[in-house]
Amino acid sequence: KAGVTQTPRYLIKTRGQQVTLSCSPISGHRSVSWYQQTPGQGLQFLFEYFSETQRNKGNFPGRFSGRQFSNSRSEMNVSTLELGDSALYLCASSLVAGGDTQYFGPGTRLTVL
Amino acid sequence: QKEVEQDPGPLSVPEGAIVSLNCTYSNSAFQYFMWYRQYSRKGPELLMYTYSSGNKEDGRFTAQVDKSSKYISLFIRDSQPSDSATYLCAMSKVGGFKTIFGAGTRLFVKA
Repeated sequence: KAGVTQTPRYLIKTRGQQVTLSCSPISGHRSVSWYQQTPGQGLQFLFEYFSETQRNKGNFPGRFSGRQFSNSRSEMNVSTLELGDSALYLCASSLVAGGDTQYFGPGTRLTVL
Repeated sequence: QKEVEQDPGPLSVPEGAIVSLNCTYSNSAFQYFMWYRQYSRKGPELLMYTYSSGNKEDGRFTAQVDKSSKYISLFIRDSQPSDSATYLCAMSKVGGFKTIFGAGTRLFVKA
């Protein structure tokens, strides 16, 4: 079974731009969660989607948004990028909503200049 | 105070040593406890998963949960250089709430 895939793997953007990251979960998994990982803050939860609905949301500003499609693929969007948004963005999939067994993708490394 | 506390290390041990990694938490509602391993430039991978208190063993890895002390541990026996990675503890409540991760402990196993 193929694992979680994320595209692109690396991105360089400048302040003020916007970016869209993509995540394809493991086949059959319907829940997708997004995390931001930085050396200072560790792994921080952004949001979770299940059956195209946002179930949980972390403490991030409205510039961070996401959506999930009917095939369970998910996208995350960050608008008006700031330098502090530079991070590794990880997507994790699980079978059910709030699933405790999460499988992570390799992440997208975003650098904001 | 963070919900989950984990010493970031780094922790450096010689090959063959027994490694002990730990996390403390404050929310007694946590029932699911996980350990993830993350190699450099990779996503975390699930190592161990435990529900409620007790021990769980898988090869060289043993996970322990002490809910009375709000303390979880991961032991690695006969550590190998390939175990060098960051280990993250994680926990969640019953009912499908978000998973909370520790900061991660960087482990170096020297050959």
